[in-house]
Amino acid sequence: DQQVKQNSPSLSVQEGRISILNCDYTNSMFDYFLWYKKYPAEGPTFLISISSIKDKNEDGRFTVFLNKSAKHLSLHIVPSQPGDSAVYFCAAIGGGGADGLTFGKGTHLIIQP
Amino acid sequence: KAGVTQTPRYLIKTRGQQVTLSCSPISGHRSVSWYQQTPGQGLQFLFEYFSETQRNKGNFPGRFSGRQFSNSRSEMNVSTLELGDSALYLCASSPSGTSGPLGTDTQYFGPGTRLTVL
Repeated sequence: DQQVKQNSPSLSVQEGRISILNCDYTNSMFDYFLWYKKYPAEGPTFLISISSIKDKNEDGRFTVFLNKSAKHLSLHIVPSQPGDSAVYFCAAIGGGGADGLTFGKGTHLIIQP
Repeated sequence: KAGVTQTPRYLIKTRGQQVTLSCSPISGHRSVSWYQQTPGQGLQFLFEYFSETQRNKGNFPGRFSGRQFSNSRSEMNVSTLELGDSALYLCASSPSGTSGPLGTDTQYFGPGTRLTVL
């Protein structure tokens, strides 16, 4: 049973526009959420995170929103740039990290010129 | 600071063989976690080592094992390889592997080892 779901396998956005990547989770024990970005032939790279005690975290062009009641988080990238084209993974952790990071299956973001 | 390194980058084995993968964490990081990535299952947690002890373990059979050395370097071993073990194996390091609502040590990933089982 998938505890972290990214329902959009791919997303295409025009350069300069906003990219919104979504993620849903089912496990109420998750207390920290992270977004990773992955280029082909490389390992995932940490992008931004948010604690369950917050509802928003911002870092430059990247903002993550958390809606605990809906068990939903989203990553906003504004403005989108060609270098943002990659696979984005949503990850969650809880229970002191006993089960490691639980990842979604990723969303392939394509930024079109 | 050098990143997480994994060796080898690519490996081809046959069913029934065993394999050992190596991971060198970022200097100063004491927690090393291993993940398996497959197209069907995505990224799944294998286990985590801290101070030479396995601290956490995912839902994988006993054929998957690991160890950590005093310099925090870690190895992962898979015995009696099966076709389904073909995957990208990723190693991640963090300073202490602590996690909670007030903060989580960020895990930094290596490039992975691509294992193909024929």
